Amino acid sequence: GENVEQHPSTLSVQEGDSAVIKCTYSDSASNYFPWYKQELGKRPQLIIDIRSNVGEKKDQRIAVTLNKTAKHFSLHITETQPEDSAVYFCAASSGQGGKLIFGQGTELSVKP
Amino acid sequence: GAVVSQHPSRVICKSGTSVKIECRSLDFQATTMFWYRQFPKKSLMLMATSNEGSKATYEQGVEKDKFLINHASLTLSTLTVTSAHPEDSSFYICSAPFGGLARTDTQYFGPGTRLTVL
Repeated sequence: GENVEQHPSTLSVQEGDSAVIKCTYSDSASNYFPWYKQELGKRPQLIIDIRSNVGEKKDQRIAVTLNKTAKHFSLHITETQPEDSAVYFCAASSGQGGKLIFGQGTELSVKP
Repeated sequence: GAVVSQHPSRVICKSGTSVKIECRSLDFQATTMFWYRQFPKKSLMLMATSNEGSKATYEQGVEKDKFLINHASLTLSTLTVTSAHPEDSSFYICSAPFGGLARTDTQYFGPGTRLTVL
């Protein structure tokens, strides 16, 4: 069945450094790839997403890249800040309101 | 952005009782909603797809009779955990794709319901 693998499971960086989280997906029909940030005890919040007709998307300090051939996509956070500390989840879906399959999550810790 | 609410936010019940959790899309209609379960420090596991006016679609390994889903209107889906046991204790979260009948990709999540079964 569909599967999304996410690495690393934990990531610790110094404030101001960059953080990169990588995901691979198995279903070649997947065409929508959102990233969510979840703080402890709270709901996942969409931070950025990308569709399969685009190779890269950027929103201020956050960027996502997609390699359809290799079936992997990555989240890049630059100039990290302590408030970026949270668990980040990647996901994949076949789009049009379809179900999301989530990666295992990455616990990001940004040390001041 | 779209708002999805859940009620209750927290519930404690005795083993053997049933618990109903509501998921509402507040400012948009949703023909489809999704129910997830999340264990501490773990990912979101999709349990089922709730379809307005028809039966829910359950993921492999999820007991239909244990987790009853009803999507009676375009803004409300309910998850009922029947005859709850301690192993059902978890964080249950719903989501809905924004755009409703127009069907877009972006999904917004409810705040979740923490279920504790004693």
